[in-house]
Amino acid sequence: SQQGEEDPQALSIQEGENATMNCSYKTSINNLQWYRQNSGRGLVHLILIRSNEREKHSGRLRVTLDTSKKSSSLLITASQAADTASYFCATDASYTDKLIFGTGTRLQVFP
Amino acid sequence: EAGVAQSPRYKIIEKRQSVAFWCNPISGHATLYWYQQILGQGPKLLIQFQNNGVVDDSQLPKDRFSAERLKGVDSTLKIQPAKLEDSAVYLCASMKIKGNYGYTFGSGTRLTVV
Repeated sequence: SQQGEEDPQALSIQEGENATMNCSYKTSINNLQWYRQNSGRGLVHLILIRSNEREKHSGRLRVTLDTSKKSSSLLITASQAADTASYFCATDASYTDKLIFGTGTRLQVFP
Repeated sequence: EAGVAQSPRYKIIEKRQSVAFWCNPISGHATLYWYQQILGQGPKLLIQFQNNGVVDDSQLPKDRFSAERLKGVDSTLKIQPAKLEDSAVYLCASMKIKGNYGYTFGSGTRLTVV
């Protein structure tokens, strides 16, 4: 079963705009991770945020985590056409030693 | 460092045939995972190894799927016999230390069962 639900399912923006994706999950976690997947390829790890952290930055990426609401958001600033991909959140649940993925957001960035 | 290697990249088989996928994780990564990703969905964990032992195979359809990790390094995932609904991308991932780093994924094997 999938732990996370992502919103929106699909997002289309112009280059230079910001893209925000949201993830909700169901159980307590050790950490939450975001991955990118280009069409037909493997997943690439983007960023990991621990349960005691509220915000984390990496380049043009900003991730927030609200454990009280069991939700996270990924913000990509100044988007580029190369950011076109599917983005998945994945939770490392406290009660089990496995990473469970959400349903993903398909991002399309138009030049 | 070299990434996670998977082969073959693509495979087309008829239903009821057998197929095997191979994965070579990053050197020194003790934990290895196999995920199944059906088109349009997120990856679903099939099995997790710690060295050469199985940690979690609760979602592995054991009547047709099997996996092993020889000497705690390479791993093979087998399907016998395949069904149409097994059409998916099979992803292998490895991890160095839990909680500090993300997983490193291979490029996957795209299986089509006809």
